[in-house]
Amino acid sequence: GENVEQHPSTLSVQEGDSAVIKCTYSDSASNYFPWYKQELGKRPQLIIDIRSNVGEKKDQRIAVTLNKTAKHFSLHITETQPEDSAVYFCAARSSSNTGKLIFGQGTTLQVKP
Amino acid sequence: DVKVTQSSRYLVKRTGEKVFLECVQDMDHENMFWYRQDPGLGLRLIYFSYDVKMKEKGDIPEGYSVSREKKERFSLILESASTNQTSMYLCASSLYKSTDTQYFGPGTRLTVL
Repeated sequence: GENVEQHPSTLSVQEGDSAVIKCTYSDSASNYFPWYKQELGKRPQLIIDIRSNVGEKKDQRIAVTLNKTAKHFSLHITETQPEDSAVYFCAARSSSNTGKLIFGQGTTLQVKP
Repeated sequence: DVKVTQSSRYLVKRTGEKVFLECVQDMDHENMFWYRQDPGLGLRLIYFSYDVKMKEKGDIPEGYSVSREKKERFSLILESASTNQTSMYLCASSLYKSTDTQYFGPGTRLTVL
């Protein structure tokens, strides 16, 4: 079945360092890959997304890269700040065209001041 | 601004009780989803609906049912709650089948004793 694997499960960095979270997906027909951020006690919110016709997308300090051949995509956060501390989820859109997303297991990012 | 609300933030029920979790969205979205969130397992899809009175099973539908009588409201029903259904339940909605961004509700923390 469709599956998304996310690593690492936890990540601790010093403020100002970079953080990278990686995901692999199983369905080669997936064409949309969003990233959600969930702060403690709050709802997940979309922070960035990428479609399969693009290899990289940036929005200020965050960027996402996609390697369709390897079925692999990554979230990069530069110059991390304490407010970046949260759980991050990657997802891949199912090829079944129902709007269904398959989520990864989540990464807890801690940014130490 | 999209608003997705859930009927309760916290709920405590006893084993065997019938439980109703309600979700309402105010943006005329066609798609609605129910997930459960457990540590280390990410967001797992229980059921989804892309139209009134339509429903489709997600990845973990066992022990759950859903109801969508009106476009803005999607209910998750636990016919006979069990302790292994203790979890955080998140509702989400998206505009169309073909659009991708899902907007989440605040979640319901359900404890089954």
